[in-house]
Amino acid sequence: QQQVKQSPQSLIVQKGGISIINCAYENTAFDYFPWYQQFPGKGPALLIAIRPDVSEKKEGRFTISFNKSAKQFSLHIMDSQPGDSATYFCAASIRLDQTGANNLFFGTGTRLTVIP
Amino acid sequence: KAGVTQTPRYLIKTRGQQVTLSCSPISGHRSVSWYQQTPGQGLQFLFEYFSETQRNKGNFPGRFSGRQFSNSRSEMNVSTLELGDSALYLCASSLVSQGTQHFGDGTRLSIL
Repeated sequence: QQQVKQSPQSLIVQKGGISIINCAYENTAFDYFPWYQQFPGKGPALLIAIRPDVSEKKEGRFTISFNKSAKQFSLHIMDSQPGDSATYFCAASIRLDQTGANNLFFGTGTRLTVIP
Repeated sequence: KAGVTQTPRYLIKTRGQQVTLSCSPISGHRSVSWYQQTPGQGLQFLFEYFSETQRNKGNFPGRFSGRQFSNSRSEMNVSTLELGDSALYLCASSLVSQGTQHFGDGTRLSIL
């Protein structure tokens, strides 16, 4: 069972446009929601993250919008550039116990292509 | 500060063999997690080590095992390799705090 559902699977956006990737979850115990960016041949790199007590977080051209009641969160990439072409993964983390152990569940990924 | 280093970058093995992958975490990071990435299943959690102890384990068969050394470096072992084990194996390290994991570039394992 996929703990975090991500859509769309692929996305093509014109340079300068807005890219929007959506994720949804069911487990209300998740308490940390990071987004990762992965280029071919590289490991995922943390892009931006949010905790559920905040509805929006912005870092440069990247914004996370978080809707706790709907159990949804999304990544917005403003002024998309060809260099943003990569696969994006949303994730959700849940603390397991007092030792700090946690499980990080990933969405299935969105392949973004930004056309010049 | 150096990032997470995984070796080797590429491996080719045949069915039935075993393999050991290595991960050096970011200096000061004590938690090391391993993931399997495939086109069909995406990123799946294998296990996590902290202070040389396996603290958390995903839903993988016992053929997948790991360990962590006193310097936080970690190894992952897969025995009796199967064709379906072909994947990119990623290692991630983090501080004690939750959530922020830093990934290496992975080891691409191909099983013939």
